[in-house]
Amino acid sequence: GAGVSQSPSNKVTEKGKDVELRCDPISGHTALYWYRQSLGQGLEFLIYFQGNSAPDKSGLPSDRFSAERTGGSVSTLTIQRTQQEDSAVYLCASSLEPGISSYEQYFGPGTRLTVT
Amino acid sequence: DQQVKQNSPSLSVQEGRISILNCDYTNSMFDYFLWYKKYPAEGPTFLISISSIKDKNEDGRFTVFLNKSAKHLSLHIVPSQPGDSAVYFCAAHTGTASKLTFGTGTRLQVTL
Repeated sequence: GAGVSQSPSNKVTEKGKDVELRCDPISGHTALYWYRQSLGQGLEFLIYFQGNSAPDKSGLPSDRFSAERTGGSVSTLTIQRTQQEDSAVYLCASSLEPGISSYEQYFGPGTRLTVT
Repeated sequence: DQQVKQNSPSLSVQEGRISILNCDYTNSMFDYFLWYKKYPAEGPTFLISISSIKDKNEDGRFTVFLNKSAKHLSLHIVPSQPGDSAVYFCAAHTGTASKLTFGTGTRLQVTL
């Protein structure tokens, strides 16, 4: 079946502009995660959605970052007033409800964001 | 505070030999560990996992060992193949949170 898809694959934006990144999770996966990977770093957790529960936003680095998940499926990560330090690869992952079968998360190919 | 550490940024191994990738952690609440493999321009793909109640899990050429007292796990790949060349991430999970905490990765190069 189809895996996690993300768009765009690459995004170059000017400092101060807003950007929206999109994630389509695997059908039937109730959990959705956003991570980012800065150059030379590991994956940094940003936000987690599970079903209709309130999202876990504990990883969002500032109030310029927000995300929503509509209809329990597609998610959009929005970064307002982008800064150069926001440049990174933004990765989306989805999974079955954690703990039901495993904690395995399936990742999309990522969106490479470059803020100039 | 890096709770999951992969202290070797890179490793080079000859084809056919064993590759050993190491991972250390500091949070004793971690109850499940995973290894992911990442090729350039692709997302990480799941490789193998282990629950904290076990000390070994094997899947084909891949074996993960967990030493809870040392807060250390390792991934063994034997025999190593050129297609194994990738960045390997160690990740950990706690029962109180659903996110995964990742290490910084080890780049494995399998040479002919």
